[in-house]
Amino acid sequence: EPEVTQTPSHQVTQMGQEVILRCVPISNHLYFYWYRQILGQKVEFLVSFYNNEISEKSEIFDDQFSVERPDGSNFTLKIRSTKLEDSAMYFCAARDRSYNEQFFGPGTRLTVL
Amino acid sequence: AQSVTQLGSHVSVSEGALVLLRCNYSSSVPPYLFWYVQYPNQGLQLLLKYTSAATLVKGINGFEAEFKKSETSFHLTKPSAHMSDAAEYFCAVSIPRGGATNKLIFGTGTLLAVQP
Repeated sequence: EPEVTQTPSHQVTQMGQEVILRCVPISNHLYFYWYRQILGQKVEFLVSFYNNEISEKSEIFDDQFSVERPDGSNFTLKIRSTKLEDSAMYFCAARDRSYNEQFFGPGTRLTVL
Repeated sequence: AQSVTQLGSHVSVSEGALVLLRCNYSSSVPPYLFWYVQYPNQGLQLLLKYTSAATLVKGINGFEAEFKKSETSFHLTKPSAHMSDAAEYFCAVSIPRGGATNKLIFGTGTLLAVQP
């Protein structure tokens, strides 16, 4: 069964460094999302992406964040200058046109030191 | 704006007992509702979903949930708990619309412990 994959599974970085989190959605999915989950807290929406542009973003998704789909398969989340409070699990999700469900990847655990 | 409230951050049941995890939602328009399960150090797996068809929804692993509009609830149940059900459970709401977002708004989660 096709699944959403994410790399790396764990990323450790120094505060102020740039990180890129990668996601490979299921091939026929058209709508893409990033969510994050700070340890012990609920899953929060960051951004949605469709037709090569952001369709909605939360107030968490400030100028330090960006998303793109550079090659038609990978979907990336970039954090330009990481802060300690960016430490969280980041989940990619994708869905097709029918909207039966969003399929989630296994997540990338980002640790900012 | 939509929101989800999950009553009880921790629920403990005995193996074989009924599981009841509570979820109430707030939405100005008819919502879609979901239950996801998260096992330790893993991602989110869809248990079941309500998308305006039958109000009683059956999911994987013997779970089911009933959409009750009058109570704005979507509680998750399972008649007999198994040790493997120990996990964190998240209720989520989404507003279906013609636009491209349909983001999920999650509750704070309920950690289910199953005692032998």
